Parts: sequence; C-alpha cells; structure tokens
Amino acid sequence: GAGVSQSPSNKVTEKGKDVELRCDPISGHTALYWYRQSLGQGLEFLIYFQGNSAPDKSGLPSDRFSAERTGGSVSTLTIQRTQQEDSAVYLCASSDPGQGYNEQFFGPGTRLTVL
Amino acid sequence: AQRVTQPEKLLSVFKGAPVELKCNYSYSGSPELFWYVQYSRQRLQLLLRHISRESIKGFTADLNKGETSFHLKKPFAQEEDSAMYYCALLSFQKLVFGTGTRLLVSP
Repeated sequence: GAGVSQSPSNKVTEKGKDVELRCDPISGHTALYWYRQSLGQGLEFLIYFQGNSAPDKSGLPSDRFSAERTGGSVSTLTIQRTQQEDSAVYLCASSDPGQGYNEQFFGPGTRLTVL
Repeated sequence: AQRVTQPEKLLSVFKGAPVELKCNYSYSGSPELFWYVQYSRQRLQLLLRHISRESIKGFTADLNKGETSFHLKKPFAQEEDSAMYYCALLSFQKLVFGTGTRLLVSP
C-alpha cells in the first residue's frame, strides 16, 4: 500500500516568508510525528499528534512554528517568518499505536531552503 | 534526560569485514531501542528493534543495560550495507535519535 507522502519535496523561500509543509500519513494510522533533520542538529523531534490533538509539542523550536491535523489524517506544518536556520529536511512519520510495537513509518521529507 | 550517542560519524570497512556501529543511551526506566537506516536517496526505514531480538539483513543488536549500549553488528559487511545508520530511543511516543553513523563498505 501507499506509504507516508509529503509535499512539496523541495521548497526554496526567502527569509521572512511563511511556508506550509504537508504530510499524508498511512491510511488508518492515528499517530503522526514531525521531525527535522539538519546538519548541525541531526534528527530532532518537533511535534506528535494522536488523532487531531497534539499531546506533545515540546520540540517546536519557536512560536513561529505551528502544526495542525484535520480529520485524523493530513497534517500541515507551518513556519512563519522563516529564518535561514530553519533550512533543513522536515520529515513526517506515522504509526498505528494499536500495533504491539508502534513502528514509525517515515515519509521522504521536504527539503526547505531559506535564502 | 534521554540521550543517544553514536560516537562515530563515519565507519569505513572493506567488503567481508565485520562491522560494529556503536550506540550508547541514557534513559531512566526500561528503554525501547531501535536502529533506523537511510540508504542513498531513500527514506528513513526501520532496520531492527531490540524487543524482537531478530536479525535483519544479517545485522543484530543486543541491548546491554549494564553498559547502556545497543551496538549494531554484522559479521561480514556487504557493499549494499553502505548507508546512514541511526540509533533511536522511544520516549513517550517520540523517537530520540543519535547523530548517525555513515557506513561505507568498499569492494
């Protein structure tokens, strides 16, 4: 079946502009995660959704970052007033916590470049 | 605080040689540990998890609570094993990753 998909695959934007990154999880997966992969920081957790609610937003680096999930499916990560340090690959993952081991399946990522 | 340490950024071996990718963790409680792999131009994917004690693609990893380690091993490396390997710890649903080790297997 289809895996986790993300769009766009690449995004180049100018400093100060807002961007939206989209994630389509695997159908039926109730848990959704956003991570960021950057050269200096490695892979960092950003936010976790269970259904439409976000019990853990502890990884969001600043109030310029926000995320929502609607219908228990698609999620959007929004970065306002982008800065150069936001340049990274943003990864989305989904899982089915009903399974015994709750494996997280990753999407291909969105590479964000802030000029 | 939860932390995963992978001390080697790059590990370069010849085909057929044994491989050990090191991973140490700090976690209060019973850890749930994973190895993820990212091949060139592919997405991050699960390689193995400690609770299943399985061998995937010839790789094994044993959890050593005394040494707080979860090293990944393979007795005979293959060229197709060249990839980025991440050790990860599950903490309250989120994965805490190490910085990764790039494995390069030369012919």
